[in-house]
Amino acid sequence: SAVISQKPSRDICQRGTSLTIQCQVDSQVTMMFWYRQQPGQSLTLIATANQGSEATYESGFVIDKFPISRPNLTFSTLTVSNMSPEDSSIYLCSVVSRGVQRAFFGQGTRLTVV
Amino acid sequence: AQTVTQSQPEMSVQEAETVTLSCTYDTSESDYYLFWYKQPPSRQMILVIRQEAYKQQNATENRFSVNFQKAAKSFSLKISDSQLGDAAMYFCAYRKNYGGATNKLIFGTGTLLAVQP
Repeated sequence: SAVISQKPSRDICQRGTSLTIQCQVDSQVTMMFWYRQQPGQSLTLIATANQGSEATYESGFVIDKFPISRPNLTFSTLTVSNMSPEDSSIYLCSVVSRGVQRAFFGQGTRLTVV
Repeated sequence: AQTVTQSQPEMSVQEAETVTLSCTYDTSESDYYLFWYKQPPSRQMILVIRQEAYKQQNATENRFSVNFQKAAKSFSLKISDSQLGDAAMYFCAYRKNYGGATNKLIFGTGTLLAVQP
């Protein structure tokens, strides 16, 4: 199994500012993903964080709004830029290890934009 | 495109009773995985059970079992002897197997399960 530390667990931010969320895994993993869960909704994939290269974004999500870094196999960050109240959501980091056909999730970051 | 549908926004069960959560999916793939995840108020996503599409035998994990009907594209979760700790949001999820772990999970809209004492 993989243990994921996601920080911060929650934050309240002013509109127009940016927040960077960190995801640290205790072992090297193949894939790292970032999901958004809007209030009362399901999880939607934002992007796949690729080590050493640009992230792969899903339709409706762009790098300028959600820049992602993945400098190594155990760490990734997601930044929510120029925030508006519509960005208020839970953001979750997920990882998949090589040879293990299951995903592990961080505890999520609850973001409120005021 | 693959889709996952959960038609029951909310369900309720008495403690010690059995409840079944429904999930249907749509895909043209033949090799894929199906999952049930549990999300309690703590927000932590917890894997409940996993089914590989090429296995005919239904997966079972203690009190949790699935009824996988590949032709009907149905994947229901049965919780036996329900406990108060089972109260949570349950998500059905799909992932195609082509390309291995690089494929994303596609989630249903979730079913909120309440367990009555």
